[in-house]
Amino acid sequence: DAGVIQSPRHEVTEMGQEVTLRCKPISGHNSLFWYRQTMMRGLELLIYFNNNVPIDDSGMPEDRFSAKMPNASFSTLKIQPSEPRDSAVYFCASNFGWEKSGGYTFGSGTRLTVV
Amino acid sequence: TQLLEQSPQFLSIQEGENLTVYCNSSSVFSSLQWYRQEPGEGPVLLVTVVTGGEVKKLKRLTFQFGDARKDSSLHITAAQPGDTGLYLCAVYNFNKFYFGSGTKLNVKP
Repeated sequence: DAGVIQSPRHEVTEMGQEVTLRCKPISGHNSLFWYRQTMMRGLELLIYFNNNVPIDDSGMPEDRFSAKMPNASFSTLKIQPSEPRDSAVYFCASNFGWEKSGGYTFGSGTRLTVV
Repeated sequence: TQLLEQSPQFLSIQEGENLTVYCNSSSVFSSLQWYRQEPGEGPVLLVTVVTGGEVKKLKRLTFQFGDARKDSSLHITAAQPGDTGLYLCAVYNFNKFYFGSGTKLNVKP
C-alpha cells in the first residue's frame, strides 16, 4: 500500500488566494482526519470524516476553511481567502473507523506558506 | 490547559547515551500511543499501550504505561542519530485523538 498520499508537498501562495490541499487515504480506511501543525500550537485536529461524512469540524478555525470528502478515496481542504497566519504543515491521516488502539497513518504533509 | 504534558520539550544528547521522555496527564485513559515524527514527514505510530503497568519493547525503545493509566514514559537505550525526531504521545478521548506537544530529540554523532 502506498500509504496516505497528500499533494502538493509544498505550496507557496499570496495572501488572499485560494488554496486547495488534497489527500488520498489508505484504501479500506473509513475515517479521515485533517490536522494542522505549527511550532506554537503543535498538532491540531481540524476536522474528521467517517464513511465520507463530516463528524466533527469544531477544530476548523474560521469559515475560510472548508473540507470535503466526495468519496472514500479523496478529500480536500480548502482555504479561501488564505492569510499569512494559515502558514503551517497540514497533515491528512486515516484509520479504520473508531478503532481506538489502531492509531493513525499520516501522510507526509503539505507545507503551506502564505506570503 | 493541555490534556497531555510532555517533558522535556527539547533534548540534545550524544550518541550512545540513554534517555527517558515523559507524557503526563491528570486524566485516566484506556490506551495511549507514542509516535515519532522525523523532519519533513508525518508522525509514525510506534506503539500502543492499553494496560496499567504495561511495558512494551521495540528494539532499544521501552514504553511504559503508568499503573493508574494517567502517564507514560519512553526510554531509549544507547541512542543513535537515527533516533532524532519529535516524539509525540496521543490519547483517544471524547471521540478524538489528542496529541501532546512533543519532545524534540537530537542525537549527535
